Amino acid sequence: AQSVAQPEDQVNVAEGNPLTVKCTYSVSGNPYLFWYVQYPNRGLQFLLKYITGDNLVKGSYGFEAEFNKSQTSFHLKKPSALVSDSALYFCAVNYGGATNKLIFGTGTLLAVQP
Amino acid sequence: AAGVIQSPRHLIKEKRETATLKCYPIPRHDTVYWYQQGPGQDPQFLISFYEKMQSDKGSIPDRFSAQQFSDYHSELNMSSLELGDSALYFCASSLGPGQTQYFGPGTRLTVL
Repeated sequence: AQSVAQPEDQVNVAEGNPLTVKCTYSVSGNPYLFWYVQYPNRGLQFLLKYITGDNLVKGSYGFEAEFNKSQTSFHLKKPSALVSDSALYFCAVNYGGATNKLIFGTGTLLAVQP
Repeated sequence: AAGVIQSPRHLIKEKRETATLKCYPIPRHDTVYWYQQGPGQDPQFLISFYEKMQSDKGSIPDRFSAQQFSDYHSELNMSSLELGDSALYFCASSLGPGQTQYFGPGTRLTVL
């Protein structure tokens, strides 16, 4: 079955330190992988995506993610966290073809302490 | 840049009432998706449309229906509302199916 897993409900990091939010996906065809961020009482904001090509993808606000096919992972990273990065982060997968829907992970709450 | 517009932003209804949610996609986007996000949950796909035709269907109750109009805006019609329908309803649009989906701010539906 197609699924996405975010093993951490919450990640805590000090401002200025690097951050990683983990995501793994089930293997089925060639997945398109996405990261979205949700601030309180706001919609989902697109950060970055992997379709094909270079395994390291750069996105908005200094975020990047690395696609690892052997580990079926797509972890979100940022070299230096900001307090304003504190939000709920969702990993999502789209298997393309006739299935257009995004399947979301359960979300990871990122808390950046000043 | 123009974003996805959803109206209303907040809606309060009684049980067994009906509700209509509207979504206006980003200009030139021809594909619209609807998602439901319950409290503390991840968004769940409901239904999508491409060029005014239903393209995919998820866990949408039979009490709900949706359509996409000639100007590409979409409406989600919800009847016989239940308490469990209380959620955030997101609309997203993309430039073609399978492309990056851009989300609107959501409609918060509260059923009393």
